[in-house]
Amino acid sequence: GESVGLHLPTLSVQEGDNSIINCAYSNSASDYFIWYKQESGKGPQFIIDIRSNMDKRQGQRVTVLLNKTVKHLSLQIAATQPGDSAVYFCAENIPLGKVIFGPGTSLSVIP
Amino acid sequence: DTGVSQDPRHKITKRGQNVTFRCDPISEHNRLYWYRQTLGQGPEFLTYFQNEAQLEKSRLLSDRFSAERPKGSFSTLEIQRTEQGDSAMYLCASSSGQRGETQYFGPGTRLLVL
Repeated sequence: GESVGLHLPTLSVQEGDNSIINCAYSNSASDYFIWYKQESGKGPQFIIDIRSNMDKRQGQRVTVLLNKTVKHLSLQIAATQPGDSAVYFCAENIPLGKVIFGPGTSLSVIP
Repeated sequence: DTGVSQDPRHKITKRGQNVTFRCDPISEHNRLYWYRQTLGQGPEFLTYFQNEAQLEKSRLLSDRFSAERPKGSFSTLEIQRTEQGDSAMYLCASSSGQRGETQYFGPGTRLLVL
């Protein structure tokens, strides 16, 4: 069946270091991928997206990499800050507009 | 603040009672989605609307659940005869409806069924 999963459920990084959060997906028909950040008690917040015709996209301090060959996504956060502490979800947009979320990675930034 | 609002933010109810949640999407968005999220998990798709039409319902959406979007603007999600297993965060999201457009989430309604 369809699934989006994460390799690491928790990640602790030192403030100022770079963070890398990984995600695997299984639906070859997915053509749009999104990373969301969710803080405690809040809804998911859009961070960055990438379409399947790209392999890299950069935002402010964040970069998403897409490897369609191995169905892998990663989110890189540069110079991680305490405010980056949250749960991060990757999500894939399958045909008909449905979005499937992975289980999430909890990022903890150590001051 | 994404522009999507949900009400109430928290709801505590007794098993067997009915509850109704409301979502107000971003005004120009014609797609509206409902998700359920339990602790430590990603949001699970429940249903979505294109304007007032309900286009897809997940198998998670039992007969006790019903959603409406009567005028293509706000939406309501009703759970009848609540069960303890219904305790979760119920999230609403909206998008412009173009393929691959980002969904913007509201803050969610946290339901606790005692």
